[in-house]
Amino acid sequence: KQEVTQIPAALSVPEGENLVLNCSFTDSAIYNLQWFRQDPGKGLTSLLLIQSSQREQTSGRLNASLDKSSGRSTLYIAASQPGDSATYLCAVPPSGGSNYKLTFGKGTLLTVNP
Amino acid sequence: GAGVSQSPSNKVTEKGKDVELRCDPISGHTALYWYRQSLGQGLEFLIYFQGNSAPDKSGLPSDRFSAERTGGSVSTLTIQRTQQEDSAVYLCASSPRRVAGEETQYFGPGTRLLVL
Repeated sequence: KQEVTQIPAALSVPEGENLVLNCSFTDSAIYNLQWFRQDPGKGLTSLLLIQSSQREQTSGRLNASLDKSSGRSTLYIAASQPGDSATYLCAVPPSGGSNYKLTFGKGTLLTVNP
Repeated sequence: GAGVSQSPSNKVTEKGKDVELRCDPISGHTALYWYRQSLGQGLEFLIYFQGNSAPDKSGLPSDRFSAERTGGSVSTLTIQRTQQEDSAVYLCASSPRRVAGEETQYFGPGTRLLVL
């Protein structure tokens, strides 16, 4: 059974700092890995999807890397802003078929202080 | 363009009552998913619809839970004889198609269910 762990559970940083969020998963035979953000009282917004054949994806100030062999992904946020404050979730599908059944980590609650 | 919408946004009910939660996916999206997010828990997969195929109900926690999707668009999640442990945020998502390795799911804002 796939298990996803996110460290740290919470992170508070001053504005402008670069930061890294970590995600680890137990079964490395995955199709892809997604990073989402969730704002309080809102649904999830997809940030980046890394396919199994890729090692990283970039979108603006966000960069996500994937190391399948070690079962790890990182989300790097450059020059953090207060608007980045949210819960960040990573999710992977199970190995084999049924790649839509995402397993989520419990998230990292990020607070960027002005 | 319009995203995934869900209604109601909040629902308070008494233990033992039935509730219906509605999801309107993004127009043209053939895949639709329901998830549950309980306090202190991660998101749990509940059910998946893809086009006219039989749904994958493997994540439904008990037979009190059921879902249907009419006309390949709107979906309704029904919880019968609600229990306090059913209190959670129920999230719906849709995606344009099921292609291995391209499974970006677009989420709605969720329905917050509280069972008293």
